[in-house]
Amino acid sequence: SQTIHQWPATLVQPVGSPLSLECTVEGTSNPNLYWYRQAAGRGLQLLFYSVGIGQISSEVPQNLSASRPQDRQFILSSKKLLLSDSGFYLCAWTRGGVGNSPLHFGNGTRLTVT
Amino acid sequence: GNSVTQMEGPVTLSEEAFLTINCTYTATGYPSLFWYVQYPGEGLQLLLKATKADDKGSNKGFEATYRKETTSFHLEKGSVQVSDSAVYFCALSDPNTGNQFYFGTGTSLTVIP
Repeated sequence: SQTIHQWPATLVQPVGSPLSLECTVEGTSNPNLYWYRQAAGRGLQLLFYSVGIGQISSEVPQNLSASRPQDRQFILSSKKLLLSDSGFYLCAWTRGGVGNSPLHFGNGTRLTVT
Repeated sequence: GNSVTQMEGPVTLSEEAFLTINCTYTATGYPSLFWYVQYPGEGLQLLLKATKADDKGSNKGFEATYRKETTSFHLEKGSVQVSDSAVYFCALSDPNTGNQFYFGTGTSLTVIP
């Protein structure tokens, strides 16, 4: 069966510090990978998605970036965090090339920028 | 374009009450439709799905029917429990837009004993 791991679960970082959140998927190959952000009490905002190694599509221009160095690894980064980067970050995957495949989410990372 | 609209919350119900959370969609093609549930502090979990018109998705007592004529996918449960308290998201994926998913804004449900 497939599983998705996302870490860390919680993170408190000062303004201006770097960020690295990691997500890995097991039990499948060539997944589509996604990073979402959820502000408190709000809906989901798609940040990045990837259909293959090195292929990243950005939905929202901001100081965040994403990379996919391996088939089942997706990393969210920032060089300098802003207060507005606080939120709940969710990694998700779906089967590549399967039109009706659902999204499967990790447990999320609660990021607080102080 | 594609979009999902779901009823505004929060919704508060007594235990054993009937639940309906409305969801309507706009899509350029033939989307698949999903309901997700998010418990406090957790990620979203797939609750049920339907991939074509008139399909009924069901899980854990929840049901939703894909209605193409009304572009709706309303979530229902006959008798809610306190443990159903969560935020519910309606979503669609449209194969014509590659691998994009479109989510509603979420509906918070609180069930009181």
